[in-house]
Amino acid sequence: AQKVTQAQTEISVVEKEDVTLDCVYETRDTTYYLFWYKQPPSGELVFLIRRNSFDEQNEISGRYSWNFQKSTSSFNFTITASQVVDSAVYFCALSEPYQNNNDMRFGAGTRLTVKP
Amino acid sequence: ETGVTQTPRHLVMGMTNKKSLKCEQHLGHNAMYWYKQSAKKPLELMFVYSLEERVENNSVPSRFSPECPNSSHLFLHLHTLQPEDSALYLCASSQDTRGGSTDTQYFGPGTRLTVL
Repeated sequence: AQKVTQAQTEISVVEKEDVTLDCVYETRDTTYYLFWYKQPPSGELVFLIRRNSFDEQNEISGRYSWNFQKSTSSFNFTITASQVVDSAVYFCALSEPYQNNNDMRFGAGTRLTVKP
Repeated sequence: ETGVTQTPRHLVMGMTNKKSLKCEQHLGHNAMYWYKQSAKKPLELMFVYSLEERVENNSVPSRFSPECPNSSHLFLHLHTLQPEDSALYLCASSQDTRGGSTDTQYFGPGTRLTVL
């Protein structure tokens, strides 16, 4: 069963537009962790954020913000005033520490292209 | 500067060759991971080592053989691979996370493997 769903395969925006990347997860645990990673063309997955299931506060870091809603099992990621350097594949991931030896389950990723 | 390094960055090998991928982490972590990233497929966890012991092997074919001589180094030995094994192989590290907590995994830049 798919644990993490990123329904948007590809998104293309023009620079300075805001863009939201969706992530829906599935778990029966009350304790879990959610992550976002960025994978630029160089290939390395760059860690962006980790959020535990007991902290539903939204987070903002510069142009990045995250909206965690347990009621809809979603952990969406918004980039404000996008830039060309934001072009990358973005992965959402779920970790369930009491199951699966703490494996991270990744979504399929969303490829974001920001055009100048 | 990345805390996780991988060599080589690119590798082309024939099906009868034997080669090894190397990963080194400089973050003081004691868990290391191998992932496979194929085109159009989610990241697949291959192996997990914690405190230099293999704790998980996700039914990976025996032509992939991991080795973890210490907590800073991880190898993936390759022999008699198939063309479908061509992929980006990513290494990651984290703190040992068994027992109900999750620490963030930090990734290396990957090795792009092509099997002819």
